[in-house]
Amino acid sequence: QLQLQESGPGLVKPSETLSLTCTVSGGSISSSSYYWGWIRQPPGKGLEWIGSIYYSGSTYYNPSLKSRVTISVDTSKNQFSLKLSSVTAADTAVYYCARQLIRTQSFDYWGQGTLVTVSS
Amino acid sequence: QSALTQPASVSGSPGQSITISCTGTSSDVGSYNLVSWYQQHPGKAPKLMIYEVSKRPSGVSNRFSGSKSGNTASLTISGLQAEDEADYYCCSYAGSFVVFGGGTKLTVL
Repeated sequence: QLQLQESGPGLVKPSETLSLTCTVSGGSISSSSYYWGWIRQPPGKGLEWIGSIYYSGSTYYNPSLKSRVTISVDTSKNQFSLKLSSVTAADTAVYYCARQLIRTQSFDYWGQGTLVTVSS
Repeated sequence: QSALTQPASVSGSPGQSITISCTGTSSDVGSYNLVSWYQQHPGKAPKLMIYEVSKRPSGVSNRFSGSKSGNTASLTISGLQAEDEADYYCCSYAGSFVVFGGGTKLTVL
């Protein structure tokens, strides 16, 4: 059974860079059928897609966050990572990683999510 | 790009049917049959319920169905059950990015 697990600091200071890693187990990240994505959810609010990466390293990002987002992949560790720079309180959210089927553009497996709070 | 538009809340009694709408534009919902729907219970990760407008993943009840007309997609839940009470989100491919709806809270009365 495929599992995804987010990890990283739960508290980030304003203006700093948020960094999270998603570890994939039970399957290979190097599959040609999937992208690997990051989605976030501010407390009490809806879901927002941040961006996705293919195992080759090609990426596509939410245009509204593109200037601050970098997603990378490490196939040797079966992991992909998110960096979000210049964070503010508005970036406080639960961050999810998920597997995205390329053919259907749907997210079929999700991590449990990790809360990241931006505060000094 | 703007979020897809969903009603903030819908409600229904056990056994009834409800429909949640998801309105986008000709650049997203209207252009691609790549609309998916997610169910999210409090404190849990979203769960894929419908993909490609109307297809159900293995294990999802056939009480859940999806459709699309023009720029609006819809999720219908028939035979409402207490465990269906949750938040529901639509999602559409938009050519070079993905966009979610604002979410709909379903209350089972």
